[in-house]
Amino acid sequence: GAVVSQHPSRVICKSGTSVKIECRSLDFQATTMFWYRQFPKQSLMLMATSNEGSKATYEQGVEKDKFLINHASLTLSTLTVTSAHPEDSSFYICSARRDSISDTQYFGPGTRLTVL
Amino acid sequence: TQLLEQSPQFLSIQEGENLTVYCNSSSVFSSLQWYRQEPGEGPVLLVTVVTGGEVKKLKRLTFQFGDARKDSSLHITAAQPGDTGLYLCAGARGSGGSNYKLTFGKGTLLTVNP
Repeated sequence: GAVVSQHPSRVICKSGTSVKIECRSLDFQATTMFWYRQFPKQSLMLMATSNEGSKATYEQGVEKDKFLINHASLTLSTLTVTSAHPEDSSFYICSARRDSISDTQYFGPGTRLTVL
Repeated sequence: TQLLEQSPQFLSIQEGENLTVYCNSSSVFSSLQWYRQEPGEGPVLLVTVVTGGEVKKLKRLTFQFGDARKDSSLHITAAQPGDTGLYLCAGARGSGGSNYKLTFGKGTLLTVNP
C-alpha cells in the first residue's frame, strides 16, 4: 500500500499563534509532497509543491511567508501556518507522489484547523 | 489555468439506481485519477486511467478515459447508501517533470438514499 499520515488531525489555536502540521509517507519514500486546502463542500486547492531538499513551489496567491513548508526528508514534510487568523481556518490535506513516473498521489487524512 | 469541469455538482438518488459523473476539459492530461472523499477525511484513490479510451472496472464502478485524454466518466451501477460521498476527478500534467501537478474538478456530492 501507500499510506500517508498527518498530525495532528485537529487543532484549535488562538489568533496570532503558529501551527505546524506534519505529513509523513509511512511505507514509501516520497520525493514530492503536496499541500492542499479545502473549504466545506468544495474541491481541493493546491497550495504548494514540496520537493525534498529544496524550496517549495507555491501556487499563485498563496503567501509563502505565511505558509512555511519544509521537506526535510523523503518521508516528512511540514506546513507551518504562521500568525494564524480566523480566515486561515480550513481543512489542510497533504499528499505524496510515490515516484517521478507515476501520476498518482496518495493523500493523508487531513488536518482540521480552527483559529479562534 | 487548466479547468476540469465536473458534473453534476450534486446528485441525490435512490438505492438501486444507476448514475454517471462526468469530467471534461479542453486540455489533454497524461492521466486522470478518480477519488472518493468522506467528510473529515482525505481523498481515497479509486482508479488511475492512463491510456486514451481505457475502461477500468471496480466492482459496480466503471471508469472511462476519453480517446483524446481530455475527459473521463464514472458510472455506478445499482448505487448503494455506502456509495455516498464526494467524488473527485483529477487530471495530471507534467509527468516526470518539475511542473507536474494535479488539477481537481469541483467534485460531485453523491447521496444515495435507502
